[in-house]
Amino acid sequence: NAGVTQTPKFQVLKTGQSMTLQCAQDMNHNSMYWYRQDPGMGLRLIYYSASEGTTDKGEVPNGYNVSRLNKREFSLRLESAAPSQTSVYFCASSEQQGKVKGAFFGQGTRLTVV
Amino acid sequence: AQSVAQPEDQVNVAEGNPLTVKCTYSVSGNPYLFWYVQYPNRGLQFLLKYITGDNLVKGSYGFEAEFNKSQTSFHLKKPSALVSDSALYFCAVRAAGDSGYALNFGKGTSLLVTP
Repeated sequence: NAGVTQTPKFQVLKTGQSMTLQCAQDMNHNSMYWYRQDPGMGLRLIYYSASEGTTDKGEVPNGYNVSRLNKREFSLRLESAAPSQTSVYFCASSEQQGKVKGAFFGQGTRLTVV
Repeated sequence: AQSVAQPEDQVNVAEGNPLTVKCTYSVSGNPYLFWYVQYPNRGLQFLLKYITGDNLVKGSYGFEAEFNKSQTSFHLKKPSALVSDSALYFCAVRAAGDSGYALNFGKGTSLLVTP
């Protein structure tokens, strides 16, 4: 039972390059999220998908796009990476409606933009 | 708007002593409250939650938290700390009526338990 799987685990990009972070969950959760974690800032929500077919902006969406490919997968794309996007990115998923179980997190992707 | 405050960047405690990690929240309506722990180079792991009912919530690894509505607090506690409890702890909140289910996290508190 894998839970939430993120790929890649590490990535170094040059400024202006693009990349997609992949996330998949096998818990049949409706909702999925992308957070970034920066020292002293905690976790900040980038985008979320409350259910398949919907996506919404979180606290810090600028410079990112997302795709909810199906119920299992939620990808995060950086179209033109900037050094300010150097961070650790976490994907999470949470319960179906009516069952409050909190969020389950992936292991994170450590991204460095040089 | 929902928010969480963790007033302490770091908490130091000796092994065997009780520990408290503080959290206060702000939310419209009833809160759902959570504590997560993060070990180095790992993702966040769920510890416990408050949804409704008993104000004292028990969770994983001997941790518990007390919901105090009048003080809008949800402090994490453990009667006897272990060195292995050293980690980064996050408090999180969301409103009960929030259809997006997204959690708002505090900035985290680093717990250091010394032998």
